Amino acid sequence: AQRVTQPEKLLSVFKGAPVELKCNYSYSGSPELFWYVQYSRQRLQLLLRHISRESIKGFTADLNKGETSFHLKKPFAQEEDSAMYYCALSGREYFGNEKLTFGTGTRLTIIP
Amino acid sequence: EAGVAQSPRYKIIEKRQSVAFWCNPISGHATLYWYQQILGQGPKLLIQFQNNGVVDDSQLPKDRFSAERLKGVDSTLKIQPAKLEDSAVYLCASSLPAPGTSGRGQYEQYFGPGTRLTVT
Repeated sequence: AQRVTQPEKLLSVFKGAPVELKCNYSYSGSPELFWYVQYSRQRLQLLLRHISRESIKGFTADLNKGETSFHLKKPFAQEEDSAMYYCALSGREYFGNEKLTFGTGTRLTIIP
Repeated sequence: EAGVAQSPRYKIIEKRQSVAFWCNPISGHATLYWYQQILGQGPKLLIQFQNNGVVDDSQLPKDRFSAERLKGVDSTLKIQPAKLEDSAVYLCASSLPAPGTSGRGQYEQYFGPGTRLTVT
């Protein structure tokens, strides 16, 4: 079974301060982890994935298999970062089916 | 490229009525997903199609929900009869060739705007 936990439903951070959105997962195999984001009045979209190991809009996330975590970080928050963020896990149930399981989401608000 | 299209955007029905949602994926995307997102929760996969075949429908309440993708392109999701607890946003998503077939893992899913269903 796959499970994703985002402990914070709401997070408020001042502009310019560091941001960390927490994500923990449970999966017996080798997972792929993702962060999806939904800005106001926009569609849910992929922000980043752990296998890419890249920074998107200043955000990074490192997969920590020992702690089963995939926290999203940004050193200096910007107002345009205000959005709903979902952590998601893809685990292969069987060949050809990588089921995507989402967490409950964290609403990030950047205070000007 | 054009994104995933869904209609209607909003629907209000009474319990025990039926409702249908339509999705047109991005051209060339073999895999299509329907998710249910209840207020305050993350999207939950209801059914996944690869072309016109069902890959996973383990979380689809089959006594009242049905979905089809007859020609491997558009898809419809139907609820009959609806219950109060079906009130949610129904999201459609699509992705490139079937996940896992190239060994590269999960392809990015592109989401539609969703249909907000209210059951009264």
